[in-house]
Amino acid sequence: QQQVKQSPQSLIVQKGGISIINCAYENTAFDYFPWYQQFPGKGPALLIAIRPDVSEKKEGRFTISFNKSAKQFSLHIMDSQPGDSATYFCAASRSPGSGYSTLTFGKGTMLLVSP
Amino acid sequence: DTAVSQTPKYLVTQMGNDKSIKCEQNLGHDTMYWYKQDSKKFLKIMFSYNNKELIINETVPNRFSPKSPDKAHLNLHINSLELGDSAVYFCASSQWTGALRGGELFFGEGSRLTVL
Repeated sequence: QQQVKQSPQSLIVQKGGISIINCAYENTAFDYFPWYQQFPGKGPALLIAIRPDVSEKKEGRFTISFNKSAKQFSLHIMDSQPGDSATYFCAASRSPGSGYSTLTFGKGTMLLVSP
Repeated sequence: DTAVSQTPKYLVTQMGNDKSIKCEQNLGHDTMYWYKQDSKKFLKIMFSYNNKELIINETVPNRFSPKSPDKAHLNLHINSLELGDSAVYFCASSQWTGALRGGELFFGEGSRLTVL
């Protein structure tokens, strides 16, 4: 059972355009939603993250929009640049109480920004 | 100064062989992980250690044996390699913040294993 569904699988955007990647989750206990960015030959790195108490978080050109009722969240990259070309992963986890939990990753979106 | 370093970066080996991957982190974290990334880029957790104690073992074949000699090191040994083991294996670390509640994962650069 895939708990975090990510789309599209791949995306081509013109330089200066807006890149939008969507994720949907099933587990209503999830309360932490990060996005990771992975360049070829490198490990994923945290890009931006949001908690469900806010509907939007912005860091520079990167914005997460969060819709708790729809159980969806999305990454918007404004003024996309060729240097943004990478694979993007959404993820989710829940507060574990006294135990522990793990990050559940989406399947990734390969973004290519054409010059 | 690399935060999470893994060696080797590339391994090419024959089916049936045994291989090991080593990981070290200098971030002072107390939790370390092994992730497998397949050819379709899907990231799946395999193991997690907290203070040298195994806390997550995600139904990985017992040909895979992790070992954590101390908080800063996590190694992965794979016996009797199979074609399906070909993948990129990532080591990661984090602080034990109630298990990733707001905690950032720091990944190494990966070890690409090719089984022929």
